Amino acid sequence: AQSVTQPDIHITVSEGASLELRCNYSYGATPYLFWYVQSPGQGLQLLLKYFSGDTLVQGIKGFEAEFKRSQSSFNLRKPSVHWSDAAEYFCAAVSGGYQKVTFGIGTKLQVIP
Amino acid sequence: EPEVTQTPSHQVTQMGQEVILRCVPISNHLYFYWYRQILGQKVEFLVSFYNNEISEKSEIFDDQFSVERPDGSNFTLKIRSTKLEDSAMYFCASSGGVPTDTQYFGPGTRLTVL
Repeated sequence: AQSVTQPDIHITVSEGASLELRCNYSYGATPYLFWYVQSPGQGLQLLLKYFSGDTLVQGIKGFEAEFKRSQSSFNLRKPSVHWSDAAEYFCAAVSGGYQKVTFGIGTKLQVIP
Repeated sequence: EPEVTQTPSHQVTQMGQEVILRCVPISNHLYFYWYRQILGQKVEFLVSFYNNEISEKSEIFDDQFSVERPDGSNFTLKIRSTKLEDSAMYFCASSGGVPTDTQYFGPGTRLTVL
């Protein structure tokens, strides 16, 4: 079955530290991959997406993600975290030709001063 | 920047009542979706809608649910007889001209069934 796994439910980092959020997918073929962010009381905002081509994709708010086919991973990174980055981050995937987006469970990021 | 909007932001209803959740997708988008997120759980796909008909639905989307595009701008989700387990955040999304275009999500409607 198609699935998206985010192994870390909660992550705490200090402001200014680097961040990496993990995401693994299980699909028959490489899906389209996304990272969304949800701030408290807000909807899901698209951070970045990978369809094909360059495996390092840049997104908004200084985030980037790297697609690694050999590891079935699409990890999200940011070199220096800001307090405003505290939110929940969702990795998501969709198979080509289909519409159903499958989400991971989400990783809640806490940023401490 | 165009965005998906949803109303109301919070709906409280009694078990067994009908509710209609409303969404205004991005104006030039052709594909529309509903997802839900039960508290503490994953965001789950409910249904996709294109060309005035359902194109894909999940096993969650049973006969209690229906969707409609009553005019050129609104997209609605109706739950005919709400159950306690329908309490969740419901997200509407829309995407452009092909099914695998990026889906843009609204802020959600929190439905509480008492």
